[in-house]
Amino acid sequence: EAQVTQNPRYLITVTGKKLTVTCSQNMNHEYMSWYRQDPGLGLRQIYYSMNVEVTDKGDVPEGYKVSRKEKRNFPLILESPSPNQTSLYFCATRGPSMDQPQHFGDGTRLSIL
Amino acid sequence: EDQVTQSPEALRLQEGESSSLNCSYTVSGLRGLFWYRQDPGKGPEFLFTLYSAGEEKEKERLKATLTKKESFLHITAPKPEDSATYLCAVQSRGGYQKVTFGIGTKLQVIP
Repeated sequence: EAQVTQNPRYLITVTGKKLTVTCSQNMNHEYMSWYRQDPGLGLRQIYYSMNVEVTDKGDVPEGYKVSRKEKRNFPLILESPSPNQTSLYFCATRGPSMDQPQHFGDGTRLSIL
Repeated sequence: EDQVTQSPEALRLQEGESSSLNCSYTVSGLRGLFWYRQDPGKGPEFLFTLYSAGEEKEKERLKATLTKKESFLHITAPKPEDSATYLCAVQSRGGYQKVTFGIGTKLQVIP
């Protein structure tokens, strides 16, 4: 079964404490992406990766880092989280063509106090 | 800049009461328009891709249509299990790997 797995699903933490949200996919896709979803703003892309060691900024990259050392994994790193990064985060992957749909994980709800 | 506007923001229907959700878009050359369904506590789940004006796709009680400016998601005789948020998104023909999402329409179907 095609899966995108995110961990943790929920996290409450404090300002400034580094955290990593992991994302793993079993579809052997090269493209992976991170989004945040906020009320009234919809899904906004944070970073995406076209392949191993190839990453690029999306619409809202400030305060986030990513890495892509293996095809299946695409972790999202918040080095110094702040309250405005409290949000619902989704990892997604898709096939090689831009007009293919994305497969999303079930989300990670982050609360930064 | 690509834009997607969905209406209404929320819709409450009686079971069996058919209706339509609207997705208006502006994009610099449409590569594809996507419809997703999102249940609470879950990630968006793919429903349809539409590529060109006049195209239609169906799945069970859902039918998606596309014109040059908007897309409709028609829901025929909905059931309570159709309750969800429906998201529309567009992919432009530009080289940038970006999909622009609408805020969604939250549909509630009452038994």
